[in-house]
Amino acid sequence: DAGVIQSPRHEVTEMGQEVTLRCKPISGHNSLFWYRQTMMRGLELLIYFNNNVPIDDSGMPEDRFSAKMPNASFSTLKIQPSEPRDSAVYFCASTLQWNTEAFFGQGTRLTVV
Amino acid sequence: GENVEQHPSTLSVQEGDSAVIKCTYSDSASNYFPWYKQELGKRPQLIIDIRSNVGEKKDQRIAVTLNKTAKHFSLHITETQPEDSAVYFCAAPNTDKLIFGTGTRLQVFP
Repeated sequence: DAGVIQSPRHEVTEMGQEVTLRCKPISGHNSLFWYRQTMMRGLELLIYFNNNVPIDDSGMPEDRFSAKMPNASFSTLKIQPSEPRDSAVYFCASTLQWNTEAFFGQGTRLTVV
Repeated sequence: GENVEQHPSTLSVQEGDSAVIKCTYSDSASNYFPWYKQELGKRPQLIIDIRSNVGEKKDQRIAVTLNKTAKHFSLHITETQPEDSAVYFCAAPNTDKLIFGTGTRLQVFP
């Protein structure tokens, strides 16, 4: 398996534009997590899915953020409209089950200007 | 909800010295405690984990100890080397929610 795959690796966009981040988890993994990483706030859990179902989105900062997992092999995190304070590295991670190793994608570095 | 506190936030040691990072958690139901290492510009990766049925686990120069009564667990790195320089995260997942501590930036000086 190629591991967790995220795209794009880098995204630069203008304030107000819609941004869509993509994630392909490891095949067979049941849980998928989206994190945002900044120097100030560390690794923040935004939302996670079990068997494609959103379980807890309490970490999503605002209504501008939304996430979907239409099937077991694909998830998206969307920001609409984007703002400069959304600039961060966004990681996706997947696990077989909650008490096993979490595998991270390489992350998407988002810059909103 | 689950709360994971990690200390210190930064740690500088001389090569060859030991480093210790400590985490405390709030949910007594937690029974799996992993540690992740994130090198500059890279993704976090698991380096060691421990389950609540043991008090200590070692893997070469790294070890993790667990005190369930006090609800804390620690990462120990002995004979530190420059390549140990990174940010280290603990986690105390409860059921299916994976929340990380705030991270410790370790610098090992030659």
